[in-house]
Amino acid sequence: AQSVSQHNHHVILSEAASLELGCNYSYGGTVNLFWYVQYPGQHLQLLLKYFSGDPLVKGIKGFEAEFIKSKFSFNLRKPSVQWSDTAEYFCAVVPWSGYNKLIFGAGTRLAVHP
Amino acid sequence: SQTIHQWPATLVQPVGSPLSLECTVEGTSNPNLYWYRQAAGRGLQLLFYSVGIGQISSEVPQNLSASRPQDRQFILSSKKLLLSDSGFYLCAWSVPPDRGWKYGYTFGSGTRLTVV
Repeated sequence: AQSVSQHNHHVILSEAASLELGCNYSYGGTVNLFWYVQYPGQHLQLLLKYFSGDPLVKGIKGFEAEFIKSKFSFNLRKPSVQWSDTAEYFCAVVPWSGYNKLIFGAGTRLAVHP
Repeated sequence: SQTIHQWPATLVQPVGSPLSLECTVEGTSNPNLYWYRQAAGRGLQLLFYSVGIGQISSEVPQNLSASRPQDRQFILSSKKLLLSDSGFYLCAWSVPPDRGWKYGYTFGSGTRLTVV
């Protein structure tokens, strides 16, 4: 079955530390890739997405992600986190088809301490 | 512009009672529609998706059902709620690939359901 794995369920960092959240998927065909963020008490927001082209994707708030097709990975990075980045982060994959089913990972809770 | 409406925002229902959550989309036609559930401490689980009126696919066997009576209306229902149905339910829509989808999903604001 198609699945998305996020390796870290909880991450705790201090401000200014670098962040990398892992995401791997199991699907051999064409995929579209997403990272969503959910701040405490707020709705899901799109951080960035990959459809085609440059595998290094830049999103909002200084986040970026790199699609490595050979590793089936789409890791999220930020060079220097802020307290306001405390949130839950979800990787999601759409195996390309007419159904556009967005398959989410279990999420990673990030806590950034001042 | 396209918008998605989902209601109610919160709901507390007793075990064994029925459920009806509604989602409507504006500003687009023939969207793909989806129901997701986010349970505490777990990720988002796709429950149902629909590519057209009356076309419903279920991803996970459960106590819930979905219907799409109109092009831009998607309803999540249950005849008898269970405690395990508690969670945060999200409706979403997307443009199908044959219409050049590039925008991912748009999510509704969600319904927090507590079954007591």
